[in-house]
Amino acid sequence: QKEVEQDPGPLSVPEGAIVSLNCTYSNSAFQYFMWYRQYSRKGPELLMYTYSSGNKEDGRFTAQVDKSSKYISLFIRDSQPSDSATYLCAMPHMEYGNKLVFGAGTILRVKS
Amino acid sequence: SAVISQKPSRDICQRGTSLTIQCQVDSQVTMMFWYRQQPGQSLTLIATANQGSEATYESGFVIDKFPISRPNLTFSTLTVSNMSPEDSSIYLCSVVTGQIYNEQFFGPGTRLTVL
Repeated sequence: QKEVEQDPGPLSVPEGAIVSLNCTYSNSAFQYFMWYRQYSRKGPELLMYTYSSGNKEDGRFTAQVDKSSKYISLFIRDSQPSDSATYLCAMPHMEYGNKLVFGAGTILRVKS
Repeated sequence: SAVISQKPSRDICQRGTSLTIQCQVDSQVTMMFWYRQQPGQSLTLIATANQGSEATYESGFVIDKFPISRPNLTFSTLTVSNMSPEDSSIYLCSVVTGQIYNEQFFGPGTRLTVL
């Protein structure tokens, strides 16, 4: 079993839709949870990170962590074609020098 | 954040040759890493580039195949040696800039194709 599972999609939605992207993880020691956005032919860009459980909001983006279920989500409100990208969740592995463990990435396509 | 550049941005190489990829950061950083992203897959950490000492390699990656240098706090190189088509991938460097260890920033990547 992979430490971090993420549905690769692709997920296709109409412009203006609310998008929900999700990851599950198996290691209860994970404390920080990151979301990266990667446009085609570019490096990943850090979108948000959260610590422990709860929600964090930044503009149209909300990151949610449920440690009891080992489940994290990224919500995008009022999605735009410019949000079309691959979204990767990542968690630092505290037991191994904070090495980042990445999900497979979900391809999101927002249609205008 | 940090501005990270990589050279070359892409290359097409012949089997058996080697390619050195450069990573330059616009400010001093505490840690630098090298990742591989194979087509349609997520990122896999190759090694941590340590300033002034040998890199720390992840399981499945060895120094003879991926020698790394980090002569100072703003620059690192990754060499892909004796290349085969299986080495075709995107290679990315990333950095941690300060006290918030978990904020890792990535370069634009080097797209390598081996024929």
